[in-house]
Amino acid sequence: QSALTQPASVSGSPGQSITISCTGTSSDVGGYNYVSWYQQHPGKVPKLIIYDVDNRPSGVSNRFSGSKSGNTASLTISGLQAEDEADYYCCSYASSTTSTRVFGGGTKLTVL
Amino acid sequence: QVQLVQSGAEVKKPGASVKVSCKASGYTFTSYYVHWVRQAPGEGLEWMGIINPINPIGGGTTYAQKFQDRFTMTRDPSTSTVYMELRSLRSEDTAVYYCARGARYLDFWGQGTLVTVSS
Repeated sequence: QSALTQPASVSGSPGQSITISCTGTSSDVGGYNYVSWYQQHPGKVPKLIIYDVDNRPSGVSNRFSGSKSGNTASLTISGLQAEDEADYYCCSYASSTTSTRVFGGGTKLTVL
Repeated sequence: QVQLVQSGAEVKKPGASVKVSCKASGYTFTSYYVHWVRQAPGEGLEWMGIINPINPIGGGTTYAQKFQDRFTMTRDPSTSTVYMELRSLRSEDTAVYYCARGARYLDFWGQGTLVTVSS
C-alpha cells in the first residue's frame, strides 16, 4: 500500500487561506468517504481535525474544512493564524475487506 | 475522559523484540477498534495495524503488509489494554509508536512510546 501524496510544504500569511491536497487512487481516497486529517505540532501527539472527508470534531475551529473530488481530498484552512503552523497528515481507508488504512506523507504548513 | 496511556520508552538491540502496552480508560473498551501508528524521527506517520478489542475466534486484527511477518497485536479486555510486539528489530524501527482509538478515524491517541534500536 503506497502512501497518499501530499505536498511537502505550503505557506501563507496570517488571515489568508491555504489548501493542502491529498492524492490517492480509486482503491483508497476515491473509493471511500473515509478521509481524515490530523494536525501535529512539533513534539506533540497528532490531533484529529477532519473526519469522513468534511466533518469537524467538536471543539475544532470552523476555519478548518475538508472536501474530496475523485481521488484527491483537500484540507482548507481559512483565516490563517500563527498557531496553525504545524504538520498536517491525511489518512484514508484503503480496503473494506481488511480495514487497512494509509497515511499521506505529511505537509509542513508555515505561517509567514 | 477518554485516555490511552502507553508504556515507557524502550532501548533495544538489533534483532531483539519490543512489546508496548496501551491502557484505555474513560470509554467502553470493547466498543472501539485500536490502531498502531509509528513515526520515525523527522518522518511522517505510518499506519501499522488495527485490532478489534472484542476477541472473536479466528482473528480481529489487520496488519499493514510491510509488518505482517514480525508484528503482532493482542488485547486483554479484563484490563482494557492493547499490546503491540515488534520482532527482529533493526535500526530503521527507531520511532515513536502510538496507539489510537477509532474505526473510520483516529479520535484519541496515546502519548506515544519511543523505541530506540541501537547496538
